[in-house]
Amino acid sequence: ETGVTQTPRHLVMGMTNKKSLKCEQHLGHNAMYWYKQSAKKPLELMFVYSLEERVENNSVPSRFSPECPNSSHLFLHLHTLQPEDSALYLCASSQEAFASTDTQYFGPGTRLTVL
Amino acid sequence: AQSVTQPDIHITVSEGASLELRCNYSYGATPYLFWYVQSPGQGLQLLLKYFSGDTLVQGIKGFEAEFKRSQSSFNLRKPSVHWSDAAEYFCAVGASGSARQLTFGSGTQLTVLP
Repeated sequence: ETGVTQTPRHLVMGMTNKKSLKCEQHLGHNAMYWYKQSAKKPLELMFVYSLEERVENNSVPSRFSPECPNSSHLFLHLHTLQPEDSALYLCASSQEAFASTDTQYFGPGTRLTVL
Repeated sequence: AQSVTQPDIHITVSEGASLELRCNYSYGATPYLFWYVQSPGQGLQLLLKYFSGDTLVQGIKGFEAEFKRSQSSFNLRKPSVHWSDAAEYFCAVGASGSARQLTFGSGTQLTVLP
C-alpha cells in the first residue's frame, strides 16, 4: 500500500465512548500531522509530530490524545467527545516538520460523528 | 501570522470552459504557496506548489497557477474544465522556516455543468 492511509473511514460514537483513529504513512517521512476539517471552516491543525516527538499542539482539548509510536504510525485517541467534535479528521505526513519547502501529503480522512 | 482568503465559496462552470479560482494571501516575507484539491469523501491531493523561481507554476491534471507578489495572489487556472474536476479546491500558504505552519483558505467548491 502506498501514500497515507487512515482507518476507520467512518466512525459513529456516543459521547461516553472511547475510540481511536489510526494513520499510517508509507512514504518514509519523519513528520506526521492531525487536522480537523469542519463544514464551512478552514482546516485546523491539531498536532504535529517530528520523529515521534510532539512539536505542536494547537490548543486542542484534552479529550483528544495523540500518540506516535514510530515515524510511520499516528493515532488519535478519543474520549468523552462532544457533538461539535463531529468532523472529518485528516492525517498528513511530510519529509520533515521544519523544512520550509516541504510538502504535506494527506490521507483520505476519518468521518467522525458524535451522537 | 499568515492568512489566506479564497473569495469565492462556490463557482459553477460549463464543461470545456476556462476556470480561474482566486487566492489571496497575507504574509510578510516570501510565501510558500500550495493548491490542493479534495474530491468528495477523499483527502487532499496536491495540485501544485510555488516556492521560488518562475512565477507561473504547472501542476497535475492540466492546472497552473501564477504567483503575483504585487497583488498577493496565487490564482489557479485551467483552460478547459472536465466534469471530473468538480471538487473543492484549497489554497494554502506556508511560512518560511517551518512546514508545519501551513494555513489553509476556506476552500472553493467547483461545480461543472455538462
